[in-house]
Amino acid sequence: SQQGEEDPQALSIQEGENATMNCSYKTSINNLQWYRQNSGRGLVHLILIRSNEREKHSGRLRVTLDTSKKSSSLLITASRAADTASYFCATDSEGNKLVFGAGTILRVKS
Amino acid sequence: IAGITQAPTSQILAAGRRMTLRCTQDMRHNAMYWYRQDLGLGLRLIHYSNTAGTTGKGEVPDGYSVSRANTDDFPLTLASAVPSQTSVYFCASRSELGGGSPLHFGNGTRLTVT
Repeated sequence: SQQGEEDPQALSIQEGENATMNCSYKTSINNLQWYRQNSGRGLVHLILIRSNEREKHSGRLRVTLDTSKKSSSLLITASRAADTASYFCATDSEGNKLVFGAGTILRVKS
Repeated sequence: IAGITQAPTSQILAAGRRMTLRCTQDMRHNAMYWYRQDLGLGLRLIHYSNTAGTTGKGEVPDGYSVSRANTDDFPLTLASAVPSQTSVYFCASRSELGGGSPLHFGNGTRLTVT
């Protein structure tokens, strides 16, 4: 079974609005990573947050991690049409295996 | 340009046939992975290799085999393809073990088993 589960499954917003995606997982982790996938392409790494961190920023991205609730959120501020993509969380646990969730499809309308 | 190369880009394969998906990276990464991506299921790990000469099973290994003869190459073989193996297959690599380094992905192989 998959470790991470994202919600919502799909999200549609207007350009300029913020987009928030959530990820829940089941077991203890070393770190959690977020990836983006444009249609027909491989995944691209966005940001990594370690288990001892609570919040991390990178440009318009903000990631939070709550290990007590086994959850993470990805916030994209001031969204752009070019942010339209699928977003995946991945948990990095023992055994060096990254396990991905099913993803959130984000559509940003211009 | 450094990165991961997957071949073929797409393939239509008759059930029962043998197929090898190729993956080559030029970043000298230790760890390599094979995932399959199916609609609504995200990416599922098939097999992985932490270093040349070693391999391990992921979440959905049945029907697939891998080898890691050297650092750069990590081929995935379907010994006798079945329609349920229709999917998009992604190869990925990363440099560190347990250090939390990100994965680098290829652009995938779209496989249809008829």
